Amino acid sequence: KNEVEQSPQNLTAQEGEFITINCSYSVGISALHWLQQHPGGGIVSLFMLSSGKKKHGRLIATINIQEKHSSLHITASHPRDSAVYICAGEYLGNEKLTFGTGTRLTIIP
Amino acid sequence: NAGVMQNPRHLVRRRGQEARLRCSPMKGHSHVYWYRQLPEEGLKFMVYLQKENIIDESGMPKERFSAEFPKEGPSILRIQQVVRGDSAAYFCASSPGADRNQYFGPGTRLTVT
Repeated sequence: KNEVEQSPQNLTAQEGEFITINCSYSVGISALHWLQQHPGGGIVSLFMLSSGKKKHGRLIATINIQEKHSSLHITASHPRDSAVYICAGEYLGNEKLTFGTGTRLTIIP
Repeated sequence: NAGVMQNPRHLVRRRGQEARLRCSPMKGHSHVYWYRQLPEEGLKFMVYLQKENIIDESGMPKERFSAEFPKEGPSILRIQQVVRGDSAAYFCASSPGADRNQYFGPGTRLTVT
């Protein structure tokens, strides 16, 4: 069983919609990463967070330590946001990342 | 400051040949991580190295795979006697230290024919 679970696996939305992708993880996590993998395959690190909330442009990431849950939100979604979004946990005393299976987001113009 | 560099970007090898994948971390980064993404699967950790040391190789297959990060030069992931199942995208990431964000390279797509 993967220690990092994401939902939904696939998400299709109209341009302009507010998007939420969820990630839950097991105990012991020291940080939670959100990554974006473009259709061409490249990976961009979006956020690394261990508490609270971070915002970058139209992207917002939140984490609830007690509930072991994180969300990635995209406001005013645009077709160029279409990508696979991956959450990954970094566990206490261990720097390697454990990845969720990814959420494939498609934004329709 | 250039990002993480990987080369080659695409590599084709016949079964039984050796594959060498190179990763140059960002300037000032002494931690390197290798990850593998099999077709239609998620990313999986392979190995974590610091300069001249392997810190965690728990994700490396027991045979044919090795990694190094010498004092000078790039980190190398070496796959001996490649098989079709080794076909995948191999990503490296670097960070300046513990509890710091990891920056990913563009990946090397290995195809074994």
